[in-house]
Amino acid sequence: AQTVTQSQPEMSVQEAETVTLSCTYDTSESDYYLFWYKQPPSRQMILVIRQEAYKQQNATENRFSVNFQKAAKSFSLKISDSQLGDAAMYFCAYRSREAGNTPLVFGKGTRLSVIA
Amino acid sequence: EPEVTQTPSHQVTQMGQEVILRCVPISNHLYFYWYRQILGQKVEFLVSFYNNEISEKSEIFDDQFSVERPDGSNFTLKIRSTKLEDSAMYFCASRGTGREQYFGPGTRLTVT
Repeated sequence: AQTVTQSQPEMSVQEAETVTLSCTYDTSESDYYLFWYKQPPSRQMILVIRQEAYKQQNATENRFSVNFQKAAKSFSLKISDSQLGDAAMYFCAYRSREAGNTPLVFGKGTRLSVIA
Repeated sequence: EPEVTQTPSHQVTQMGQEVILRCVPISNHLYFYWYRQILGQKVEFLVSFYNNEISEKSEIFDDQFSVERPDGSNFTLKIRSTKLEDSAMYFCASRGTGREQYFGPGTRLTVT
């Protein structure tokens, strides 16, 4: 079974600075998807960014980018120019790409605080 | 932009009672999921559903749980006899032909 580990329960960053959230995963599969979801205090789960394992290029969405290291099974999220609205829980998630209706496997999350 | 909706936003029930949590997935989506999140813990998979049947279920999804798609729009999760430990946030998610699952805002279930 796949597992996702987020080793930083809490992180903080100054407004306008850059922060990196860590995620590692364990799988024997070669093809899969990785995601970062944001959960603000409203507890809505919002997709931030996704990465396909077969793509070597790191995904980027505006101020959010990932560092995907497939051999190391590492998938970190970098938030540039942090804003107060970025304060939230961030969950790393894995999904198998095999046929079928495969579910997401989540890490335990990292709580990000943004300091004005 | 289309979104997943869930009702109610908060449900309080007594132990042993039945509850039904409702979800309206995005209209052209084909794959449906329920997840739960006990307060302060990670999001856990309960069940996935496709083509009017369960695709996969976790160990949490025991005989007390059932899912149904009673019509073309709703997707429900029923808990037959609630326990205190069922108190959690329950998220519905749906997916089309793409990679992403889109989550609803969740239903907070409190069992007293």
